Amino acid sequence: SQTIHQWPATLVQPVGSPLSLECTVEGTSNPNLYWYRQAAGRGLQLLFYSVGIGQISSEVPQNLSASRPQDRQFILSSKKLLLSDSGFYLCAYGLAGVGQETQYFGPGTRLLVL
Amino acid sequence: KQEVTQIPAALSVPEGENLVLNCSFTDSAIYNLQWFRQDPGKGLTSLLLIQSSQREQTSGRLNASLDKSSGRSTLYIAASQPGDSATYLCAVLHMDSNYQLIWGAGTKLIIKP
Repeated sequence: SQTIHQWPATLVQPVGSPLSLECTVEGTSNPNLYWYRQAAGRGLQLLFYSVGIGQISSEVPQNLSASRPQDRQFILSSKKLLLSDSGFYLCAYGLAGVGQETQYFGPGTRLLVL
Repeated sequence: KQEVTQIPAALSVPEGENLVLNCSFTDSAIYNLQWFRQDPGKGLTSLLLIQSSQREQTSGRLNASLDKSSGRSTLYIAASQPGDSATYLCAVLHMDSNYQLIWGAGTKLIIKP
C-alpha cells in the first residue's frame, strides 16, 4: 500500500527567511505529485504539479518554487517568505492516468510567517 | 471558467439525523467529482469518487450522487455520529485542465451528541 509523508507538521518563520517543505511517497513509482495551499476559510489552491523527475508545472505565479529531485520526493521552497505565504500546505499524489486519477493527501504543514 | 460552490458553509445537527451536503459546479465538462473529508489541522481523506458517467457512489453510511447536466452533487450521510464532524470538500476534475482539481470552499459539519 502507498503512504505519503510531509514534514515538518508546523513551522513558524520570520518574513524574508527561506522555506523548504518536503513530501515523500512510499509504495509506488512514478506518481503524479501536487502541492496545494489552503488559506484559512478558503478552498485549496493548486501551486505546482509534477508528472516525473525534474518536471514541474506551476499554476500560480508567486515567490514559491518546487523541485522533484527523486521519483517519490517533492520539495516546496522559497528564498524569501512573505506574510501572505502563511497557510496550510498539502502534498498529494495520484496514480492513474490523466483525467482518471484520484488524489491522496498528506497530513499537511501549517506555516505561519511573522 | 469552472467554479465550485458548497452550501451551506457550516451545518450543525443532532446525532442520529440523516443529512445532505450540497456541491454545485458551473461547467458540466468534468471527468469526475470527488468528496473529501478534512479534520481540523489535518490532511484530506478521499471519501467517494464519481466518474462523469456515473450517477452515484456508496461507501458505508455515505452516498454521493452526481447530476452532471444540472451541475450538482450531493453527499448524503445516514445516521450521523459525532465522529462525522469535519469539513467536507468537493472537487471536480475539469476536462479543460487535466491536472487541476477545482475545489469548493467546504462545509463545516458539527454533529452534536
